[in-house]
Amino acid sequence: AQKVTQAQTEISVVEKEDVTLDCVYETRDTTYYLFWYKQPPSGELVFLIRRNSFDEQNEISGRYSWNFQKSTSSFNFTITASQVVDSAVYFCALSELGNEKLTFGTGTRLTIIP
Amino acid sequence: DSGVTQTPKHLITATGQRVTLRCSPRSGDLSVYWYQQSLDQGLQFLIQYYNGEERAKGNILERFSAQQFPDLHSELNLSSLELGDSALYFCASSLGGITYEQYFGPGTRLTVT
Repeated sequence: AQKVTQAQTEISVVEKEDVTLDCVYETRDTTYYLFWYKQPPSGELVFLIRRNSFDEQNEISGRYSWNFQKSTSSFNFTITASQVVDSAVYFCALSELGNEKLTFGTGTRLTIIP
Repeated sequence: DSGVTQTPKHLITATGQRVTLRCSPRSGDLSVYWYQQSLDQGLQFLIQYYNGEERAKGNILERFSAQQFPDLHSELNLSSLELGDSALYFCASSLGGITYEQYFGPGTRLTVT
């Protein structure tokens, strides 16, 4: 069965600090996709990134970067030079081949202190 | 703005009642997914429709049902409501298939009193 663990329930950092959100997943499939979503205080879920299991290259998008390591079943998310607007709950999610449903972790609430 | 619309935004109703939540997917998307977000269960997949047909079912209660219409909009029907059904209900859409990301609507917050 698929499972996503986000062990960090809440993180607070001072603005401009770097912060890494951890995500560990479990799956028996060799083909799967990993996702990160952001849920700001307004409540909507905003798609950030999708990664497939065959692409272990790190990805960078502006201040965001993602580190995918199959050896440790992790898909961590780093925000550099954090800003107050980054304050939100961040969810990691997994879907397996043949099953499009997203299995979400419990989320990490990130607070950026000005 | 994801392009997925959901109505209503908020809904307050009493136990035992029935409500209908509505979702319009992004233009061109054929798949619609329903998720429930509650404090105790987190974000959980309920059901998926693809081009009018049910494709996958998750932890959806028998009191809940959904359908997708020919114009691809979808409705989630919740009946015999209980206090524990209070949650944020999200609809998401995609082109369909695992290789496509799901875009979420703003959600409908249901409060059962």
